[in-house]
Amino acid sequence: DAGVIQSPRHEVTEMGQEVTLRCKPISGHNSLFWYRQTMMRGLELLIYFNNNVPIDDSGMPEDRFSAKMPNASFSTLKIQPSEPRDSAVYFCASSLRGGKNIQYFGAGTRLSVL
Amino acid sequence: AQTVTQSQPEMSVQEAETVTLSCTYDTSENNYYLFWYKQPPSRQMILVIRQEAYKQQNATENRFSVNFQKAAKSFSLKISDSQLGDTAMYFCAFTLRETSGSRLTFGEGTQLTVNP
Repeated sequence: DAGVIQSPRHEVTEMGQEVTLRCKPISGHNSLFWYRQTMMRGLELLIYFNNNVPIDDSGMPEDRFSAKMPNASFSTLKIQPSEPRDSAVYFCASSLRGGKNIQYFGAGTRLSVL
Repeated sequence: AQTVTQSQPEMSVQEAETVTLSCTYDTSENNYYLFWYKQPPSRQMILVIRQEAYKQQNATENRFSVNFQKAAKSFSLKISDSQLGDTAMYFCAFTLRETSGSRLTFGEGTQLTVNP
């Protein structure tokens, strides 16, 4: 299996621009998670989906952030408009619900907002 | 709410020696899982070891083992015969045992450096 695939690996954008991060979970997994990693706040959950349905989005910072999962093999995290404080590494992870509760992580997207 | 605390921001060890990383957590729940993840400079999050709270036996994976003390809410990671490739940030993490899926709550991390 190819593992969780995230794109792009790096993203540099200017303040005010729209940013879209993409994730393809492991085939057969039915839970998908978006995390953000910063020096100040560490690793924190933004949102997660079960069977493509958002379950907990309490970690989404504000209305500028939105996430979708149109099907079992694809999810997006969108920031519009982006701000410098959004600079971070964004991870996507997937797991098999009812399994061993192990979350497998993608390589992450490093976002820099100038 | 669950919290995870790693009180050692940095540690170092000589190659081939043993090192123990500490982790404590707080929860009012009884059924949960604990994990150690490793994040090398490549930033990939790699699962090191997993412990089920309802199992008394400590988990082991080759050179990695844990000391799980449920009553004390302690979950330390022991790395034996340390190798240069073990140099990484190590995160302790907690999740509830739910069939509907549950978030991971991470500690602050411990940067481990293995010296030649």
